[in-house]
Amino acid sequence: SQTIHQWPATLVQPVGSPLSLECTVEGTSNPNLYWYRQAAGRGLQLLFYSVGIGQISSEVPQNLSASRPQDRQFILSSKKLLLSDSGFYLCAWRGIGNIQYFGAGTRLSVL
Amino acid sequence: EDQVTQSPEALRLQEGESSSLNCSYTVSGLRGLFWYRQDPGKGPEFLFTLYSAGEEKEKERLKATLTKKESFLHITAPKPEDSATYLCAVRPSGGSNYKLTFGKGTLLTVNP
Repeated sequence: SQTIHQWPATLVQPVGSPLSLECTVEGTSNPNLYWYRQAAGRGLQLLFYSVGIGQISSEVPQNLSASRPQDRQFILSSKKLLLSDSGFYLCAWRGIGNIQYFGAGTRLSVL
Repeated sequence: EDQVTQSPEALRLQEGESSSLNCSYTVSGLRGLFWYRQDPGKGPEFLFTLYSAGEEKEKERLKATLTKKESFLHITAPKPEDSATYLCAVRPSGGSNYKLTFGKGTLLTVNP
């Protein structure tokens, strides 16, 4: 069966520090992968979408970037975090029927 | 632009008190409407997909229905363990059909 892993679960970072969040999927090949941010009262905002290795689509201009160095690995990065980057970050993969399956999420607090 | 509006934002029920959550949508051709459940601090968990008006899906105490403009998630005789945020999302046809547009969710609290 397919599983999706995200880490870390929580992260506290100072303003101006770099960021790297990792997501890996097991049990499927060449999945479509997504990064979302969920802020309080705002719902899920799609940040990046990837259909394959090295292929990244950005949905929202921001302080973040994404990379897909391997088929089942999706990384969210920032060179310098802003206070506004705080939030709950979710990775998802798209399965049969276009259902998106989510990881457990990373709670990022930028102080 | 695709839009999804969920109401109410929050709902408190007594155990056993049935009710419904609403998801109204505006989309350029619906290719699917999805319901998810999200527990605090966790990722959303898939519940249902609906594709066409008149379709219904059931799972335990939950039943989802779909019309051309909205979807309802009916909760029959809820239990405290049904407390969660319920999210609705739509998948449009056309160029942006790779992504889902989510509503802000309804926070359901079921008191014992």
